[in-house]
Amino acid sequence: KAGVTQTPRYLIKTRGQQVTLSCSPISGHRSVSWYQQTPGQGLQFLFEYFSETQRNKGNFPGRFSGRQFSNSRSEMNVSTLELGDSALYLCASSLGEGGTEAFFGQGTRLTVV
Amino acid sequence: QKEVEQDPGPLSVPEGAIVSLNCTYSNSAFQYFMWYRQYSRKGPELLMYTYSSGNKEDGRFTAQVDKSSKYISLFIRDSQPSDSATYLCAMSAWGSNSGYALNFGKGTSLLVTP
Repeated sequence: KAGVTQTPRYLIKTRGQQVTLSCSPISGHRSVSWYQQTPGQGLQFLFEYFSETQRNKGNFPGRFSGRQFSNSRSEMNVSTLELGDSALYLCASSLGEGGTEAFFGQGTRLTVV
Repeated sequence: QKEVEQDPGPLSVPEGAIVSLNCTYSNSAFQYFMWYRQYSRKGPELLMYTYSSGNKEDGRFTAQVDKSSKYISLFIRDSQPSDSATYLCAMSAWGSNSGYALNFGKGTSLLVTP
């Protein structure tokens, strides 16, 4: 059974640009969550999607957005990039009904210069 | 104060030792508790999942949850150099409308020396 796939693995962007990251969940999983990991703040919740609807959102500015498609694949977008957005962005996949286990992808390492 | 507190370490132990990792939390609504292992430059790998209070054992790993004390633990028996990694605790409440958001500790760095 394939795991959670995130693309691309690495990105370098310039301040002010925008970026789109992609996540394909485990087959049959309907919930996709996104997290930002930095050395200073650790893992922080960005948002969760279930059946194409955003169910929960963390405390991040509106520059961070996401969406989920009918096949449960998800994308997150960051507009007007800032240096502080440099981080490992992780996607987690779960069944979505009840507090079931969440499985993470390998992440996308974003560097903003 | 963060909702989940975890000692960052580093924790260094000799091979074969029993390792104890702990987290405390403040939100009494948390019902789901997980431990993840993360190697450098990799995504977190789910090790243990527990619902509510109690113990759960899987091979060399034992997870304990004490909701009355808001305290969770992970024990690793017969530790191996390959266990050297960062261990993250995570926990969540869940609601059909509010969904599922994991709250993480900052992770404990573990080094098992041969």
